[in-house]
Amino acid sequence: SQQGEEDPQALSIQEGENATMNCSYKTSINNLQWYRQNSGRGLVHLILIRSNEREKHSGRLRVTLDTSKKSSSLLITASRAADTASYFCATVQRGTGRRALTFGSGTRLQVQP
Amino acid sequence: KAGVTQTPRYLIKTRGQQVTLSCSPISGHRSVSWYQQTPGQGLQFLFEYFSETQRNKGNFPGRFSGRQFSNSRSEMNVSTLELGDSALYLCASAGAAEETQYFGPGTRLLVL
Repeated sequence: SQQGEEDPQALSIQEGENATMNCSYKTSINNLQWYRQNSGRGLVHLILIRSNEREKHSGRLRVTLDTSKKSSSLLITASRAADTASYFCATVQRGTGRRALTFGSGTRLQVQP
Repeated sequence: KAGVTQTPRYLIKTRGQQVTLSCSPISGHRSVSWYQQTPGQGLQFLFEYFSETQRNKGNFPGRFSGRQFSNSRSEMNVSTLELGDSALYLCASAGAAEETQYFGPGTRLLVL
């Protein structure tokens, strides 16, 4: 079963705007990762944040993690049409093995040119 | 480095048949994990292999099995296919000390 939910389920913005996606999870985690998926293809790893970190940046991406609320957010700044994809958060649950990823339900992002 | 490769990319089978999917990890990676993605259930973990041993298993029936070879390549087998097994099957590899998993393009299986 899925670890948690992401919201919004779908997001449509104009090029140049920022996109924020939120993820909630249910159990204690080792780390949380964000992945992008273009149209039913493979997943592309974007960023990993460990449970003892609160914020991480990578290029136009900013991820925050609040373990007390069991939630994370992904911010994409100055979005581009090429950012159109589905975005998933995935957690590694503490005690289940380092690589058993549990995914959220995903956010479908549409960036209008 | 070449990425994770999966073969075949597309597959059509009928109910009751069995299927074998193949995954070649990134060179040097010894961990291979398999995931199933369906519109209804989303992305779900199937199992992970490390050095030819199954290290973790998700909540799937015994019809789903896998193995890993000494060169780290992995195969996944589904026996007695059901319509609900239609899905995108994704393979991911990771280095021994890495937390990040790198995914292949997937095998899309359609069961008729």
